[in-house]
Amino acid sequence: GQSLEQPSEVTAVEGAIVQINCTYQTSGFYGLSWYQQHDGGAPTFLSYNALDGLEETGRFSSFLSRSDSYGYLLLQELQMKDSASYFCAVRDNYGQNFVFGPGTRLSVLP
Amino acid sequence: GAVVSQHPSWVICKSGTSVKIECRSLDFQATTMFWYRQFPKQSLMLMATSNEGSKATYEQGVEKDKFLINHASLTLSTLTVTSAHPEDSSFYICSARRRSTDTQYFGPGTRLTVL
Repeated sequence: GQSLEQPSEVTAVEGAIVQINCTYQTSGFYGLSWYQQHDGGAPTFLSYNALDGLEETGRFSSFLSRSDSYGYLLLQELQMKDSASYFCAVRDNYGQNFVFGPGTRLSVLP
Repeated sequence: GAVVSQHPSWVICKSGTSVKIECRSLDFQATTMFWYRQFPKQSLMLMATSNEGSKATYEQGVEKDKFLINHASLTLSTLTVTSAHPEDSSFYICSARRRSTDTQYFGPGTRLTVL
């Protein structure tokens, strides 16, 4: 089986930096993805890590450590529009489907 | 690129009726499509995985006779909720995976309300 853990809520102010952690237990591993979902909307892809290290895409960066079964999403220069739920997801042992974490609700305050 | 559409975006129906939801990849070929269900303030729960031209693989606890999935082409998958009941009311989201990539692209979702 597989399980993922994320903090349920994070609150920060505009301009700050926030790190959302994700730990996982899987029977196989084919990469860690991050998705953003605003209320009432569908998830949108943010980043994907297959190998250890940091991937940077603008204000968002994602990190993976396969030996620790751990990753994080780093959001810099927070903006109000970043208030959303963030999900980590891993591909299963057969590389077919994704399993999503419970999600972290980020609230950005003025 | 990588746009996925869903139709309808919302639907209200009476208990006992069937509802069909379409998922299309508009600008790429999707070898695999996924159907998820999401209840308010919860994570996405995978219902089934479908590959073009073959039967869908359903997750444990998902009734295949109630949630009929057809993946007729590399750009279209449909989910039919048969004999819908109020407990089937939820946000249904499809996603499509591009050939030879690890990225899923999500449709905008369909909000189903069964009265």
